[in-house]
This record gives sequence, C-alpha cells and structure tokens, in this order.
Amino acid sequence: NAGVTQTPKFRILKIGQSMTLQCTQDMNHNYMYWYRQDPGMGLKLIYYSVGAGITDKGEVPNGYNVSRSTTEDFPLRLELAAPSQTSVYFCASSYPTEAFFGQGTRLTVV
Amino acid sequence: RKEVEQDPGPFNVPEGATVAFNCTYSNSASQSFFWYRQDCRKEPKLLMSVYSSGNEDGRFTAQLNRASQYISLLIRDSKLSDSATYLCVVDDMRFGAGTRLTVKP
Repeated sequence: NAGVTQTPKFRILKIGQSMTLQCTQDMNHNYMYWYRQDPGMGLKLIYYSVGAGITDKGEVPNGYNVSRSTTEDFPLRLELAAPSQTSVYFCASSYPTEAFFGQGTRLTVV
Repeated sequence: RKEVEQDPGPFNVPEGATVAFNCTYSNSASQSFFWYRQDCRKEPKLLMSVYSSGNEDGRFTAQLNRASQYISLLIRDSKLSDSATYLCVVDDMRFGAGTRLTVKP
C-alpha cells in the first residue's frame, strides 16, 4: 500500500520557470490537499479538493493552480516561479478525518 | 485573528517532565479537532483525534474546551523520542503553526 506519493522529492527552478508537482494516492480518498511549509513555520493550505472535478482555494492560492480529473491524482502547477515559492510542499489525502501525507517536495526557486 | 493559533514554544523540558500545549480556534462551529506530530524534515502524522469528552492514549491526553474554544495536549513522563513539532488541526485540515518540543536528558 503506497499511500500518498509525491514527485519529485527535490527540485531547483529558475525564476519564471513552470513546473508541476505530482501527487497520487491509492486509498480511494475523496479529499486531497496541497500545503506549503516554510522553514520553522506551520502548514499553509494552498488548494484542496473534495472529489474528482472539484477544487477550491485555500489560504495561499496565488501563483498556483490545481486540477482533479481523477480520484487518485491531484497535481499542483506553478506558473512563473518566484523566490517566494521556495518551500516544502506536502500533498495529503483524507477520508475526511485522518490525513495521510506524502513525503514532501523540496522546491528552491533561484 | 488567525483561525488556528498555538503556543509558540519552543518548549524545552527534561525527560520525565509533564508538558502541555494549547491551541485556540476562532470558529465556534468547528467540529473536528486533531493533533499531529511532525519530526524534523518529515511529513506530519496523526497523533490523536480530540473528542468532546476528552481522550487518552498512553502518556498522551487530549482535551476540548468548547466554551473557551481551545484544545489541549498533555504529555506525561516525556521521553527523548517525544521531541518533535506538534500541530493542531481544526475542521477542514487547517493547521496551526506548530509547537516545537525538545525533551532533554
């Protein structure tokens, strides 16, 4: 049982580049989330989804986009990367009570 | 006021000590409350849910105070392995900033 899988684990982007952070879960959870965590800080909710075809903004959605075409996948798109987007990104899914997290993607924008 | 606020910490305690963290929430209609644990550079993992009547799991006790809108986590007989950041979560997976605990020999 893989749980929540995030790729890549590490990435360095140049300012203005774009990328997609992948997130896949095999637990058939309806709820999925994307968070960012800056050093020494808590998790900030970027986007979330309550099911395939439904997404909604969280606390810090600017500069990001998501899609949810299937129950399993919830990719996060960064357009025009900026240094302020340097962070650790966590994807999670939940039933909706207990949330299971991926191992995170460490992104640096230079 | 932030939706979920936690004691800023850090808490540095000796082994065997009892330590408590609080977490306040702003939405009086909130229904779901959890404590998560996050080790350094790792993903958060569920420590325990918080029920209205309070609940205990070994050395850990979670309480909910609806009147004052806060939840608490009590750790008794602290172990070195309890060193981590403790995050409270309310409702639709809104996290507090976390409280860092370091247990020292």
